[in-house]
Amino acid sequence: EVQLLESGGGLVQPGGSLRLSCAASGFTFSSYAMTWVRQAPGKGLEWVSSISGSGDNTYYADSVKGRFTISRDISKNTLHLQMNSLRAEDTAKYYCAKVRSEVVAAASNYWGQGILVTVSS
Amino acid sequence: DIQMTQSPSSLSASVGDRVTITCRASQGISNYLAWYQQKPGKVPKLLIYGASTLQSGVPSRFSGSGSGTDFTLTISSLQPEDVATYYCQKYNSAPLTFGGGTKVEIK
Repeated sequence: EVQLLESGGGLVQPGGSLRLSCAASGFTFSSYAMTWVRQAPGKGLEWVSSISGSGDNTYYADSVKGRFTISRDISKNTLHLQMNSLRAEDTAKYYCAKVRSEVVAAASNYWGQGILVTVSS
Repeated sequence: DIQMTQSPSSLSASVGDRVTITCRASQGISNYLAWYQQKPGKVPKLLIYGASTLQSGVPSRFSGSGSGTDFTLTISSLQPEDVATYYCQKYNSAPLTFGGGTKVEIK
């Protein structure tokens, strides 16, 4: 059974940093791309970042480029999202999702429960 | 960047009705389109990928069609458990943009 468990969220001041993690199990982690999607309170889904199965290719939304870094630790079956220079508009629930393919150009077929990030002073 | 526009933004229909949601891409994306269902307070769930391929376990009353720039999600007979917000997503290349969502309610 595929399981994705996010951690690392919480309250942070504007300009601060957080590192989200997503522990994956139930599938061969290195064979699938992974993605982060966020949802601000009462709003729609927003794609944030994706990484290929090998970790060689990474992609970012313009809204986070230069501030967020996606990475994966294949030895620990864990996906990370390092978030720096956080802004109030980054406040959202962040979902980790498994992609159907090794490349990011595929749909996300499994989603974690999400983790809340609140940026506020 | 390619924009994804869904319509309508919300709809209300009766149980048993046929419901159609449209998603339009500002440029052609072949069939690199997925549909997701998000029930209130729940995690998004993949319904359809490749514009028309039903994800395993999804009821057959859901179907998708289209290619290029215009896509539709159809619920052939709306059920109470289909109350949700539906999102399209393009995935041919980054950014993997979502549509704005369509909220489906029961009349």
